Amino acid sequence: NAGVMQNPRHLVRRRGQEARLRCSPMKGHSHVYWYRQLPEEGLKFMVYLQKENIIDESGMPKERFSAEFPKEGPSILRIQQVVRGDSAAYFCASSPIGGNDEQFFGPGTRLTVL
Amino acid sequence: AQSVTQLGSHVSVSEGALVLLRCNYSSSVPPYLFWYVQYPNQGLQLLLKYTSAATLVKGINGFEAEFKKSETSFHLTKPSAHMSDAAEYFCAVSERTSNYQLIWGAGTKLIIKP
Repeated sequence: NAGVMQNPRHLVRRRGQEARLRCSPMKGHSHVYWYRQLPEEGLKFMVYLQKENIIDESGMPKERFSAEFPKEGPSILRIQQVVRGDSAAYFCASSPIGGNDEQFFGPGTRLTVL
Repeated sequence: AQSVTQLGSHVSVSEGALVLLRCNYSSSVPPYLFWYVQYPNQGLQLLLKYTSAATLVKGINGFEAEFKKSETSFHLTKPSAHMSDAAEYFCAVSERTSNYQLIWGAGTKLIIKP
């Protein structure tokens, strides 16, 4: 059973470009969470999704960020018009059920904005 | 509001010595508590979790943690450090009335001296 997959592992963008980060949850998992980790800081919750539904996006910046988890395919975190402050590691986690079940993490995508 | 405090951004111990990483939390209801480990340039791996069963929780790689309600603590310990334990360790809390969010500490980097 493959773990949580994230791609790309490293992404370099220039200011103003778009970044698209992909997350494929573990097989059988229908709950996906996105976290951001800034240098020297812990993880910060961004958004929680189930298939075709955003359950909570209270941690998402109000502008430029969006997330989806379609019926088919991976979950996508999209950042429009990136700025240098978006440089961070973005982690995706999945769980088979919601609640306080263990979350399984992917290896992360390290976004660098030049 | 929930919060997690990890005392010491860096902890250095000699190989073979006791490892103690501190975590204190604030929560208005009994929480679920987690310790995750992150090796360089990798995702997070669950070490152990407390979900209201035994207060002393044993995890992988010889780590354990004890939930102390009176002290609102969930410190992580290991009797004898190995070089392979060098990593960053994160404590996280989730309230039982919340159905998904993990609130994270800032992390503690464990350094093992030969």
